Amino acid sequence: QQQVKQSPQSLIVQKGGISIINCAYENTAFDYFPWYQQFPGKGPALLIAIRPDVSEKKEGRFTISFNKSAKQFSLHIMDSQPGDSATYFCAASRAAGRRALTFGSGTRLQVQP
Amino acid sequence: GAVVSQHPSRVICKSGTSVKIECRSLDFQATTMFWYRQFPKQSLMLMATSNEGSKATYEQGVEKDKFLINHASLTLSTLTVTSAHPEDSSFYICSARGLAGIDTQYFGPGTRLTVL
Repeated sequence: QQQVKQSPQSLIVQKGGISIINCAYENTAFDYFPWYQQFPGKGPALLIAIRPDVSEKKEGRFTISFNKSAKQFSLHIMDSQPGDSATYFCAASRAAGRRALTFGSGTRLQVQP
Repeated sequence: GAVVSQHPSRVICKSGTSVKIECRSLDFQATTMFWYRQFPKQSLMLMATSNEGSKATYEQGVEKDKFLINHASLTLSTLTVTSAHPEDSSFYICSARGLAGIDTQYFGPGTRLTVL
């Protein structure tokens, strides 16, 4: 059972554009939703995370939008740069992140110069 | 930010041998460490959850006798792949979570295991 569904599978954006990646979850017990960035051959690195008590969180060029009623959350990357080209994973966890993460399937982002 | 290291970064071994992978939290005490497995171009799949001083909790379908996990201290967890076979070839990644109240999991750089 895939508890976190992520789309699109791949995304091509022009430099300076906005990259949008969407995730939907099923388990209403999830209460911590991080996004990770992974480069080939490297471990995931935390970008930004949100709790369900807020609808939006912004850190630099990265914004999470959260819709609790729809059980959806998304990552927006503003002013996308070629260096942002990587695989992005959404994830969800219970107990404020103390439990293991359930990952989405990943989105390969390519930002063209 | 918190740093998690893994050693080795790459290992090639012959079928039937055992391989040990270390995961260390360098600047914080990790009460819980998680071990994930990632196949090429796929997502991370949780293998087991490891709490310091207690037995690991394995996910369904993960053989605990094949993937031995030890979390002997607050800064070190080890994963031993016993009697490795080619189908065990994968990218193994650990993550560590700090003391109570800290929700962030920090990931190690991963270990690429190739079994010939």
